[in-house]
Amino acid sequence: SQTIHQWPATLVQPVGSPLSLECTVEGTSNPNLYWYRQAAGRGLQLLFYSVGIGQISSEVPQNLSASRPQDRQFILSSKKLLLSDSGFYLCASQGLAGTDTQYFGPGTRLTVL
Amino acid sequence: AQKVTQAQTEISVVEKEDVTLDCVYETRDTTYYLFWYKQPPSGELVFLIRRNSFDEQNEISGRYSWNFQKSTSSFNFTITASQVVDSAVYFCALSTPSTGANSKLTFGKGITLSVRP
Repeated sequence: SQTIHQWPATLVQPVGSPLSLECTVEGTSNPNLYWYRQAAGRGLQLLFYSVGIGQISSEVPQNLSASRPQDRQFILSSKKLLLSDSGFYLCASQGLAGTDTQYFGPGTRLTVL
Repeated sequence: AQKVTQAQTEISVVEKEDVTLDCVYETRDTTYYLFWYKQPPSGELVFLIRRNSFDEQNEISGRYSWNFQKSTSSFNFTITASQVVDSAVYFCALSTPSTGANSKLTFGKGITLSVRP
């Protein structure tokens, strides 16, 4: 079965600072990978997804970017954080075919001050 | 377009009560997949169940049961004899092949369940 790791678990950053969140996956090869954001008290918003190394699709125009340098590594970045970037960031992995279940990591709670 | 509606936003019950969480979905696809996830206070989304559109059999797993009815486009989740540990936010989700090979999930807004001792 898949195991999804995310770090850091929590992060407090000042406005205008850079961001790098990392997600790594074990137990599967060539997964589809996803980044979601959950604002406080709200639902899940899909930010990016990737079907392979170097292949990134953005769902919502924003201050963030994603990269996939390795098969099982997915990175979420920003050059300059905004207050509105605060939230809970979840990485998900979907193995085998695209109809497989998405499994989620433990999440990173980001607070931008 | 796909849509998932969880009309209940917050439910509060006393321990040992049964509780049903409603989920209504919309899709034009004949092939689709339905999911329930649990999000405890720690934040991680825990996968509970997946059901494909061709399998209308209800499922029971311990105290959890799911009722899938295509006629009403519903996929309801019942917890029997609720426990405090069931307190969480529960999300219903839908995916279809038409959303692409990556099969993106459409989530409902979630239901916050509080089980009081």
